[in-house]
Amino acid sequence: DPKIIQKPKYLVAVTGSEKILICEQYLGHNAMYWYRQSAKKPLEFMFSYSYQKLMDNQTASSRFQPQSSKKNHLDLQITALKPDDSATYFCASSQEKGNTGQLYFGEGSKLTVL
Amino acid sequence: GQQVQQSPTSLVLQEGENAELQCNFSTSLNSMQWFYQRPGGSLISVFYNPSGTKQSGRLTSTTVIKERRSSLHISSSQITDSGTYLCAIGNSGTYQRFGTGTKLQVVP
Repeated sequence: DPKIIQKPKYLVAVTGSEKILICEQYLGHNAMYWYRQSAKKPLEFMFSYSYQKLMDNQTASSRFQPQSSKKNHLDLQITALKPDDSATYFCASSQEKGNTGQLYFGEGSKLTVL
Repeated sequence: GQQVQQSPTSLVLQEGENAELQCNFSTSLNSMQWFYQRPGGSLISVFYNPSGTKQSGRLTSTTVIKERRSSLHISSSQITDSGTYLCAIGNSGTYQRFGTGTKLQVVP
C-alpha cells in the first residue's frame, strides 16, 4: 500500500485557473517536501516543511503556496496557472534530522496546463 | 551551472553485464542519495550514502566527499534494472539538487 498518497494522479487545467494538489503521508514523518519534474529539467526542489512550518522555499513565484492543515498533510495550491507549470509534482517525506535522511516519494500528480 | 552531473546520460547493457554510474557534484553536502525511477513512475530510494561504501545485493554505492563524487555499481544486470537512476545531494536530509539521471536499458 502506498504510504504517501497524492491526489489527483492526473489533472488538466486551463491557463489562469487554480488547482490544489493533495498530499498525505502515513509514515509518521515530520518533514515533508514538494518537488517538480518537467520534461527537460532535473527534478526541482520547491519547499520543505518541518512540524508544519516552512523551512525552505526555493520557488520564486508566489503562485505556489504550500498548505499544511495537519502534521501528515502538505497540499500545494497553484494559482494563475501557466502552460510552463505543466509538470509532475512529487510530494516526499522524511524523518527529522539525526537519522538516515532517507527520502520517500509519492506517486506524483501530473499536471497539464492548456 | 549544473551542480550535480551524472554520467553516462544513457546506457544499454546486455543482461548479465555490469554498469558503473557516476555522480559528480560541485557543492558541499552531508546528505547524498541514489534513486531509481521507472518511466512515469515515482522515485524509490536505492541508497542513502553520504560517505563511504555501501552494498545491497547486486548494488554497491561509493561516495567520496572530498572528491565530490559518488558512484553506483550494478553487477550482473537484469532486465528489471531498466529505468532511470538519479542522484541527489543536500544538507541535513533536505535534497535540494538532483542530477538529470542515467537512463539504463537492459536487454536480453
